[in-house]
Amino acid sequence: AQSVSQHNHHVILSEAASLELGCNYSYGGTVNLFWYVQYPGQHLQLLLKYFSGDPLVKGIKGFEAEFIKSKFSFNLRKPSVQWSDTAEYFCAVNPALSFGGYNKLIFGAGTRLAVHP
Amino acid sequence: GAGVSQTPSNKVTEKGKYVELRCDPISGHTALYWYRQSLGQGPEFLIYFQGTGAADDSGLPNDRFFAVRPEGSVSTLKIQRTERGDSAVYLCASSLTGVDGYTFGSGTRLTVV
Repeated sequence: AQSVSQHNHHVILSEAASLELGCNYSYGGTVNLFWYVQYPGQHLQLLLKYFSGDPLVKGIKGFEAEFIKSKFSFNLRKPSVQWSDTAEYFCAVNPALSFGGYNKLIFGAGTRLAVHP
Repeated sequence: GAGVSQTPSNKVTEKGKYVELRCDPISGHTALYWYRQSLGQGPEFLIYFQGTGAADDSGLPNDRFFAVRPEGSVSTLKIQRTERGDSAVYLCASSLTGVDGYTFGSGTRLTVV
């Protein structure tokens, strides 16, 4: 079945540690890729997105993600996390439709990140 | 408005009752989406509107769920004969093109007791 997999459900880091959150998808065709973040008590917000071109995408707050087509992956990274990065992170895939255009976002189950000072 | 507005923010209802959840998208956004998020899960797609019409309703779990968007702006998600398993956060999102990512509302937390 087509799906989006996030390997880590919970990640605990100390401030200044490096972060990498895994995301794999199983769609075979063209996709747009997204990472969303949900801070405690807030709504989902777009962190970054990839449509085409340079597979290394930079987003807000120092986050970046790398699209590796051969691995069907779109991992999220940050060199040095802060306490304020404590949140839940969702990978999402927007598969192209067979007849053209795009339809709906398919989300992974999310990764809950806790950063300790 | 400046963002996607969802009302009510919280709804507690008894099993078997009917509920309506409202979504007011960003002005000018033609694409509108409903998602459901259960505890510990990612958002699960329910239905997608392009303008007034439902372009994809494949995510609606059964015929107790229905959504409308009669004038191409505000949308209402309707749930009949609610069950305890319907308890979740119902999210609405809108998008200008459907391709550029969505803007989400804060959601309606539905609790069926």
